Amino acid sequence: DTGVSQDPRHKITKRGQNVTFRCDPISEHNRLYWYRQTLGQGPEFLTYFQNEAQLEKSRLLSDRFSAERPKGSFSTLEIQRTEQGDSAMYLCAIRIVGDEKLFFGSGTQLSVL
Amino acid sequence: DQQVKQNSPSLSVQEGRISILNCDYTNSMFDYFLWYKKYPAEGPTFLISISSIKDKNEDGRFTVFLNKSAKHLSLHIVPSQPGDSAVYFCAASGTGTASKLTFGTGTRLQVTL
Repeated sequence: DTGVSQDPRHKITKRGQNVTFRCDPISEHNRLYWYRQTLGQGPEFLTYFQNEAQLEKSRLLSDRFSAERPKGSFSTLEIQRTEQGDSAMYLCAIRIVGDEKLFFGSGTQLSVL
Repeated sequence: DQQVKQNSPSLSVQEGRISILNCDYTNSMFDYFLWYKKYPAEGPTFLISISSIKDKNEDGRFTVFLNKSAKHLSLHIVPSQPGDSAVYFCAASGTGTASKLTFGTGTRLQVTL
């Protein structure tokens, strides 16, 4: 148990629909990260939060993507007007203060038909 | 621009033998390196790490070696076990990256009986 819960585990949607994923760290950690992994690639950084502030966004995060962490605890990632190229596993990770490593959740596997 | 490279997409090793997974990086600012293991439909799990001030770190059957001059690191698994079969990702972080990890594309290890 990494202390990071992601919901849902799987999501199938039709192109053009909006989807939202949720990440719940078991306890509050000041840094929370979102990554995306496609087949044959390593996880790619999307964005990260320090408490409720979104401090960095990758150029992979188009304007159809939005992430929030309203109270510095759980986080949501929304994709609007999904495209087939959005099909991937979306991973949430936390960093414990003083530790360099990230702990990942089990991910949300998105399939856009 | 692939800053972390794993040039071997797959590796097959017999049970009991040594598995050696390799990783190269290009960014001189990287100063912390990690290996993650990933099973299908799960998030990456931290395995072992090494700081740039060291050239070796050992944890049970797993040893990571770092050659800074060559910008190369390797993961040794001895002895290899069937349960080690998974995809292994090399990752790196550095000063100013906010502990954002940059991942390689992964090496699929198959340990055969």
